[in-house]
Amino acid sequence: EAEVAQSPRYKITEKSQAVAFWCDPISGHATLYWYRQILGQGPELLVQFQDESVVDDSQLPKDRFSAERLKGVDSTLKIQPAELGDSAMYLCASSDPGQVVEQYFGPGTRLTVT
Amino acid sequence: ELKVEQNPLFLSMQEGKNYTIYCNYSTTSDRLYWYRQDPGKSLESLFVLLSNGAVKQEGRLMASLDTKARLSTLHITAAVHDLSATYFCAVDMNAGKSTFGDGTTLTVKP
Repeated sequence: EAEVAQSPRYKITEKSQAVAFWCDPISGHATLYWYRQILGQGPELLVQFQDESVVDDSQLPKDRFSAERLKGVDSTLKIQPAELGDSAMYLCASSDPGQVVEQYFGPGTRLTVT
Repeated sequence: ELKVEQNPLFLSMQEGKNYTIYCNYSTTSDRLYWYRQDPGKSLESLFVLLSNGAVKQEGRLMASLDTKARLSTLHITAAVHDLSATYFCAVDMNAGKSTFGDGTTLTVKP
């Protein structure tokens, strides 16, 4: 069964350092999402891609966060510099817009900023 | 701005009992999702509800959608320990952009 892949699964970094997360969606899924989930809360959408184009990044803190999906397949989310408040689970999901727009989530990256 | 509210946020119930989790949302939508999340894990899709009156069932879980009332319910029948998890509803407003509730953490006790 096809799955969304993410790496690393866990990351510990110091405040002010740079950190990057990688996501490989299900093959053929044109839409890719990055979510941030703070402990005890629901996921919050950071950025949505359709192929290589950004559809929605209204909740992305653009002074420190960036996201790219250069070839419309895998994607990278970067934080520079990391802050203590960035500690969270970062989830990637993908969907096929031709279907029901059901999102399939990857295992997530747990980020701890010290 | 779309708001999605779930209640209760925490639910402790005994095995064999029935209960309902509620998901209210603030603006019109005809697409709603339910997910399950185990501690430290990612989200697992449970149900996709696409129209008013939609009802879906899987095992001991049944979800329904009333778009006029802007309400979805997740009903648990004869709870078992394996159902212990956090359950999220998410409302889709625009081209797959989902807004999530804060989740309901369910604990089923023997």
